[in-house]
Amino acid sequence: AQKITQTQPGMFVQEKEAVTLDCTYDTSDPSYGLFWYKQPSSGEMIFLIYQGSYDQQNATEGRYSLNFQKARKSANLVISASQLGDSAMYFCAMRFYNQGGKLIFGQGTELSVKP
Amino acid sequence: DGGITQSPKYLFRKEGQNVTLSCEQNLNHDAMYWYRQDPGQGLRLIYYSQIVNDFQKGDIAEGYSVSREKKESFPLTVTSAQKNPTAFYLCASKGQGLPDTEAFFGQGTRLTVV
Repeated sequence: AQKITQTQPGMFVQEKEAVTLDCTYDTSDPSYGLFWYKQPSSGEMIFLIYQGSYDQQNATEGRYSLNFQKARKSANLVISASQLGDSAMYFCAMRFYNQGGKLIFGQGTELSVKP
Repeated sequence: DGGITQSPKYLFRKEGQNVTLSCEQNLNHDAMYWYRQDPGQGLRLIYYSQIVNDFQKGDIAEGYSVSREKKESFPLTVTSAQKNPTAFYLCASKGQGLPDTEAFFGQGTRLTVV
């Protein structure tokens, strides 16, 4: 069964430090896409980064990078130089190309950045 | 500006009533999705649609119904059969093809049963 697991309900990080948010997934499909979204308290969903299952290199977008370990089925998000505005919920998501583009989300990690 | 519009932002429903949440997009996206989010929880997939006149059940479809008569619109009806409908509902749309692209989300509808 397809499943995404985020094992850290809450995380704290000091401002300007790096933090890693964990995401593991379970699928037998060879073709899929992995996404990370940020959800501030306002409720909007903000896209951060994408990694395809066939991509050879880890994705990076500014301060965000995705540590993709396909054999371990993990897609951890690394935020460098944390800022106070990074405090939010973070969701890992997965799209299954062989299942009509089904897109499912993990339970989320609440990140709090301390000044 | 292109985007996804959900309406209303807040919705109150009496027990036993059906209500319909609107989701409209002008991004020319083929795929559309409905999610439910409970406080402090992740997003759970209710229904999704890849093309007009076709849709599939997600993980928690019971008590909900959808239609996809137009590419731009994917309304969600919360029926009286949904036992605990109070939640935050998010609609999303996505382009098709590779390389893949992110899903774009509406601002959400907060439904409360009174």
